[in-house]
Amino acid sequence: EPEVTQTPSHQVTQMGQEVILRCVPISNHLYFYWYRQILGQKVEFLVSFYNNEISEKSEIFDDQFSVERPDGSNFTLKIRSTKLEDSAMYFCASSGSGVGEQFFGPGTRLTVL
Amino acid sequence: AQSVAQPEDQVNVAEGNPLTVKCTYSVSGNPYLFWYVQYPNRGLQFLLKYITGDNLVKGSYGFEAEFNKSQTSFHLKKPSALVSDSALYFCAVRDGGATNKLIFGTGTLLAVQP
Repeated sequence: EPEVTQTPSHQVTQMGQEVILRCVPISNHLYFYWYRQILGQKVEFLVSFYNNEISEKSEIFDDQFSVERPDGSNFTLKIRSTKLEDSAMYFCASSGSGVGEQFFGPGTRLTVL
Repeated sequence: AQSVAQPEDQVNVAEGNPLTVKCTYSVSGNPYLFWYVQYPNRGLQFLLKYITGDNLVKGSYGFEAEFNKSQTSFHLKKPSALVSDSALYFCAVRDGGATNKLIFGTGTLLAVQP
């Protein structure tokens, strides 16, 4: 069964450093998303991406964040200058349509020291 | 604004008994409703969805959910719980037609005792 994959599973970084989180969505999906879950809190939407551009973003997704689909398979989330409060589990998701269910990857745990 | 409420932080049930995990929602348009399950150190796994049609939807692993428009609820149910059902369950809503983003509830921890 096809699945969304994410790398790395755990990333530790120093405050102020740039990180890139990588995702490989399900191959025939067209819609891509990033969510995050701070420890003990609910899953929060960050950004959605369709047709090579951002279709929607949340207030969390400020100028420090960017997304890219550099080739036909990868979907990345970059945080330019990490803050302590960026520590969270980051989930990538994809869907075949805007209406259908979103399939989530296993997540990348980001720890900012 | 869209919102989802899961009023119970934890639900305890004995194996073999029926289980219900509650969810209520608020959206301005037509709701698209989803249930996901999260096992420890794993991602969110899709269980079932309601978009339109029958109010009772069936999903993976014997779970089902009933959409109730008048009560704005979408409770998750299973007739006979298994110990392996123990996990964190999230209800999510999408405001149909307005956005693709999912708004999640705070999650309910289901503990099934043998």
